[in-house]
Amino acid sequence: NFMLTQPHSVSESPGKTVTISCTGSGGSIASNYVQWFQQRPGSAPTTVIYEDNQRPSGVPDRFSGSIDSSSNSASLTISGLKTEDEADYYCQSFDNNNEGVFGGGTKLTVL
Amino acid sequence: EVQLLGSGGGLVQPGGSLRLSCEASGFSFSDYVMTWVRQAPGKGLEWVSSIRVPGTTTYADSVKGRLTISRDNSKNTLYLQMNSLRAEDTAVYYCAKGGRSYGLKDFWGQGILVTVSS
Repeated sequence: NFMLTQPHSVSESPGKTVTISCTGSGGSIASNYVQWFQQRPGSAPTTVIYEDNQRPSGVPDRFSGSIDSSSNSASLTISGLKTEDEADYYCQSFDNNNEGVFGGGTKLTVL
Repeated sequence: EVQLLGSGGGLVQPGGSLRLSCEASGFSFSDYVMTWVRQAPGKGLEWVSSIRVPGTTTYADSVKGRLTISRDNSKNTLYLQMNSLRAEDTAVYYCAKGGRSYGLKDFWGQGILVTVSS
């Protein structure tokens, strides 16, 4: 079964850059698009990256996504960290049976 | 402006049924894959089911045979029929808009709380 693994938590200071990894297992992460979602406490998720590296309208270019086939992983990079970026972040993709898969989520603390 | 307005949640006893609805506006609903995602209290996001434009459906193993996704393109509405509900189905359920060829892309509904308890 295709699975996505994320670090449980990361922390960084305001103004710095942080990268959250999402490692695939049981299949190639490059086979289907990867999305990244941000979820603040008590709120619905919002999309920050879709189709590996595309930003929806309104998402600042401080957010970027990438795929590394050699390590079978995806990454979300947030530069110029702001306190408002503090949230849970989830990577997501689909397996070759079109069944959805989420990573376990990463809690980003901006301190 | 894209909007996904969910409704139909509530408290239901184990073994009971519920139907969730998600009314879409601001985009051509019939052209896009639609998906249900849920989040149990204090837990992460879990993909539940997706439905493609011609009606092809996929389900998580945990809900197969009990939950049924459907869509009415004439009403721009996505549904989730939930039968034989269990305590572990307690969660906030989100409807989400996908792309033209895959299930999750750019917009989410506000969430619908479903509580399964006696």
